[in-house]
Amino acid sequence: ILNVEQSPQSLHVQEGDSTNFTCSFPSSNFYALHWYRWETAKSPEALFVMTLNGDEKKKGRISATLNTKEGYSYLYIKGSQPEDSATYLCAFRTTDSWGKLQFGAGTQVVVTP
Amino acid sequence: DTGVSQDPRHKITKRGQNVTFRCDPISEHNRLYWYRQTLGQGPEFLTYFQNEAQLEKSRLLSDRFSAERPKGSFSTLEIQRTEQGDSAMYLCASSARDYNIDTQYFGPGTRLTVL
Repeated sequence: ILNVEQSPQSLHVQEGDSTNFTCSFPSSNFYALHWYRWETAKSPEALFVMTLNGDEKKKGRISATLNTKEGYSYLYIKGSQPEDSATYLCAFRTTDSWGKLQFGAGTQVVVTP
Repeated sequence: DTGVSQDPRHKITKRGQNVTFRCDPISEHNRLYWYRQTLGQGPEFLTYFQNEAQLEKSRLLSDRFSAERPKGSFSTLEIQRTEQGDSAMYLCASSARDYNIDTQYFGPGTRLTVL
């Protein structure tokens, strides 16, 4: 993997259902993996920053895991609500960058009542 | 509101015109970043400032693009002789280094449309 890839590109979830999606990134020169939530017409909101292999982070009904050896992170949403509808972006930072983030194209989540 | 602010939120211009965007970071943040997002893509890094020093520029930043952060506070991004390919969302982010991990906080972006 040379770039950050996110899958799926979009998904539709029924309210109350749980869902998860993937971010894949280069496993070499890993420094940090960021997750953002971006709602239409708003600023991207920082969810998590993860640095260590095996890291797990949780914020309310949203959680994330990190595997730096194989180069992937999962984001989970438990009991999806309409307000979870957004594009979820992951971004990868290498050890040799000044802080430059390399973003994936995002997973667009639509939660329907 | 103490978040990152950007002005204007929307800009429509004709091809060949110059445009300038402004970013006001969170006040105590010394790092400032510009990114650009085009349709269907994630944000792409353009440039980075630490205080007033511009430390990194992407190859995406052609000679028509210039960014400044004159007093280490707000920043401006200018695009000269705009082209239709410059149409995009321009995002600004700021961060303060904390334990070597700096979360970047984003503004709402400036959406540029070049006709």
